[in-house]
Amino acid sequence: AQKVTQAQTEISVVEKEDVTLDCVYETRDTTYYLFWYKQPPSGELVFLIRRNSFDEQNEISGRYSWNFQKSTSSFNFTITASQVVDSAVYFCALSEDPAGNTPLVFGKGTRLSVIA
Amino acid sequence: GAGVSQSPSNKVTEKGKDVELRCDPISGHTALYWYRQSLGQGLEFLIYFQGNSAPDKSGLPSDRFSAERTGGSVSTLTIQRTQQEDSAVYLCASRGDSYNSPLHFGNGTRLTVT
Repeated sequence: AQKVTQAQTEISVVEKEDVTLDCVYETRDTTYYLFWYKQPPSGELVFLIRRNSFDEQNEISGRYSWNFQKSTSSFNFTITASQVVDSAVYFCALSEDPAGNTPLVFGKGTRLSVIA
Repeated sequence: GAGVSQSPSNKVTEKGKDVELRCDPISGHTALYWYRQSLGQGLEFLIYFQGNSAPDKSGLPSDRFSAERTGGSVSTLTIQRTQQEDSAVYLCASRGDSYNSPLHFGNGTRLTVT
C-alpha cells in the first residue's frame, strides 16, 4: 500500500528564514511519481512540482528547492528566504503515474505560517 | 473557464438531508476527480472519471455517495442522508489529455452537516 507521511503538522517561521518541509513516502512500486501542492487560504490546491522515481536530481525553482532521496524514501521541500505569501498548507503526494491517473495519495499536509 | 469551478462554495445542511455538489472542469479536460479534505486530514480520493470509461468509484466511503458526469463535462457529487462525519471540504480536480498534465483543483465546497 502507498502512504505519504508529513510529520510536521504546523511550522512557524519569521520572514526571510529558510524552512524545510519533510515528506516520507512508502510504496512497493518501482516506478512512481512524487508531487508537492500548495493550498493557500483561498483553498485551491496549486501544483508545484512532480518528480519521477528515476530522477534523483535535486531541483531548484526560484526560492523553492526539492531534495529527493530514494535511499531514505524522502522528498523534502525547502523554501529559502521565506515570505508571508508562502503561508499555506503544503501537501506531498504520491502516484503510480505522472498525471495522477491513479489516485494521488496525499499526506496530511504541513501548515506553514510565515510571520512578518 | 479559466479554472475548475465548484459550487456552492459553502453548504450547510441538516443531518439526513441530501446534498448535491457541482464541479465545472476546465474546458477540454477529459479527466475529473473528486477528493475530500477533512479537518486535519490529507486529501482522500473519492471518484475518478476519464472520458467515456466507467468511473473509478473505489474511494467512495459508502453507498450514500454517488457521482455522475454528464456529457463528459460537468460533474455532480451527491451525498444522500448526510451524516455529521460527512462534514469536509470536497475538492474537484481536472486534467488535460497530455501525458504529463498535472491536476488542476477547484476551490472546493465546504460542507457542514449540523
